[in-house]
Amino acid sequence: EIVLTQSPGTLSLSPGERATLSCRASQSVRSSYLAWYQQKPGQAPRLLIYGASRRATGIPDRFSGSGSGTDFTLTISRLEPEDFAVYYCQQYGSSPQWTFGQGTKVEIK
Amino acid sequence: QVQLVESGGGVVQPGGSLRLSCAASGFTFSSYGMHWVRQDPGKGLEWVAFIRYDGSNKYYTDSVKGRFTISRDNSKNTLYLQINSLRAEDTAVYYCAKDLSAQAAAGFYFDYWGQGTLVTVSS
Repeated sequence: EIVLTQSPGTLSLSPGERATLSCRASQSVRSSYLAWYQQKPGQAPRLLIYGASRRATGIPDRFSGSGSGTDFTLTISRLEPEDFAVYYCQQYGSSPQWTFGQGTKVEIK
Repeated sequence: QVQLVESGGGVVQPGGSLRLSCAASGFTFSSYGMHWVRQDPGKGLEWVAFIRYDGSNKYYTDSVKGRFTISRDNSKNTLYLQINSLRAEDTAVYYCAKDLSAQAAAGFYFDYWGQGTLVTVSS
């Protein structure tokens, strides 16, 4: 089973700043089957990025994803007040199995 | 618009059973694989089960194999999760989620989620 490790655990930033979130896999993620989700308190997760770099429907272009193999990154170019939330990466692997990282909290500094 | 509405959660004693339901609308339910994902309150996400769009394939995370059963009724646009032999560690909010890809053998991503139903296992 592929384990996803996200870093940092918490990112303290101000609105307007750039956020860079990391997701590292214990083995190569095949075909870049990697996604990113945003979750706010009391809400269900929302799909942001899939296929490592493709934005989901309705997602603003300040969100971007990159990476391949075992190292993936979610970048938020300029943080808006509504972007402070927890972010999860997720991969699809053989068996099949779907696994999530433990999350990165982006909080207001 | 896509809507997923879960129901059936509650408080149950260890060893007990529940059946969760997820009513879907706003898309062609019979064309999409569906998942159950759970979240321990205040903690991270765990994928639980997947069912192919036509019900022909089902997959489970190891910790629930033999205890949980995913099923669907495409005539009723409804997804189910039968959960038996409940344990304290099954306490979580259970979300149903739609897969992004239509008519896929095994989907890859979760593009729409319900609001979840809370299952609490406690004596």
